[in-house]
This record gives sequence, structure tokens and C-alpha cells, in this order.
Amino acid sequence: DGGITQSPKYLFRKEGQNVTLSCEQNLNHDAMYWYRQDPGQGLRLIYYSQIVNDFQKGDIAEGYSVSREKKESFPLTVTSAQKNPTAFYLCASSPSPGADGYTFGSGTRLTVV
Amino acid sequence: GENVEQHPSTLSVQEGDSAVIKCTYSDSASNYFPWYKQELGKRPQLIIDIRSNVGEKKDQRIAVTLNKTAKHFSLHITETQPEDSAVYFCAAKDYKLSFGAGTTVTVRA
Repeated sequence: DGGITQSPKYLFRKEGQNVTLSCEQNLNHDAMYWYRQDPGQGLRLIYYSQIVNDFQKGDIAEGYSVSREKKESFPLTVTSAQKNPTAFYLCASSPSPGADGYTFGSGTRLTVV
Repeated sequence: GENVEQHPSTLSVQEGDSAVIKCTYSDSASNYFPWYKQELGKRPQLIIDIRSNVGEKKDQRIAVTLNKTAKHFSLHITETQPEDSAVYFCAAKDYKLSFGAGTTVTVRA
């Protein structure tokens, strides 16, 4: 499925709960990214990682956390501090931090119930 | 950081007509400008891209133009077909991709 897999496809969260979205790639890419997509706002960068054991905040990092313990995996945790978490979340990767081509996963739609 | 603006937000065209989407960017250091097509509930797919040392690039019915001086770039789709209906995003990259807000294109049969 394009070498980058996100799971689950749909996720429901109760208010006050933390949830973790999975992103796995088998492309041997160094860099990975998490974007949030809301209607009419395009894609906004949450966190990115240029190499294992390193990650940086993007434009809207508040209420989110990530880890990069393995090259293949870049999970995103949506914490209870994120006040409006309902959105479509997209993970992407690129061969290196400076590489142009991003490969996107198929996304996870998170809904707070 | 980079700020990308995209216009229009919605575009309706008759099948066979052309569609044009325009984007501006703020960071003169940006050197890569891709365009993505996203169908409902699916991942964005790269359809064409251009680098800052090129002014125009074509791929069949799709073309992109870049004006570095004015910091704007445009997507042109000719002979539109119903399957061109989707949301299109422009993006600009300095050290990371920044996206425009998207244009919903509807091709009327």
C-alpha cells in the first residue's frame, strides 16, 4: 500500500482519553512527518523526525506527542490536552530530510465521541 | 516559516474546459513546489512538481508554471474530465513541505 501504512483507518476516542495512531514504513526512509487535515485548512504539520531518536515540533504540536525509536515507525499520540482532535491524520515519509518526494499513508480519521 | 496561499478555494468547470489554480509563497528559500491531488477520504497523490531552476513543466494535460520573482506558481489542467474532480493542494518546500488550503475542483459533465 505504497510502502507506508497507517492504522487504524477509523478511530473513536472518548473525551479525556489518549489515543495512539500508528505509522509504519518499509521504504528505508530517514524522515517521517505527521500532518493534520481539517476541511478548508489544508495540511498542517504536527511533528517531524529527520532521524531515529530525534523529532521536532511542527506548526501545531500542542496536545500531541511522538516517538521515533525505530526507523520504520513514527507513532503519534493524541493526548487529552488536544482540545479539538477530530480530524484526518496523515503520515508521510521522505528518503532524507532534504529530499523532495514525500510518500503519504492512507490516513486515520479520528473522531471524538 | 513558509506561508502558502492558494486560490480559488472552489472551482467548477465544464468538461473539456481548462482549470487554473494559483498559489503564492513567502519564503524565497523555498526551492521545490509540488502539486497533490486528493480524492475524498484518500491520501494525497503527487501529480506534478517543479523546482526553482525551472519555469514551466508539462505532463500530458497538466502543466505547472513558476515565477520566482513574484513568488507564485500555478497549476493548469486542460481538457478537463470528470475524473479530474478532486481537491488539489499546492505546497512549497524550504526544509519541509508547507501546504496551501486546497482547491475543490468539480468538473461538470
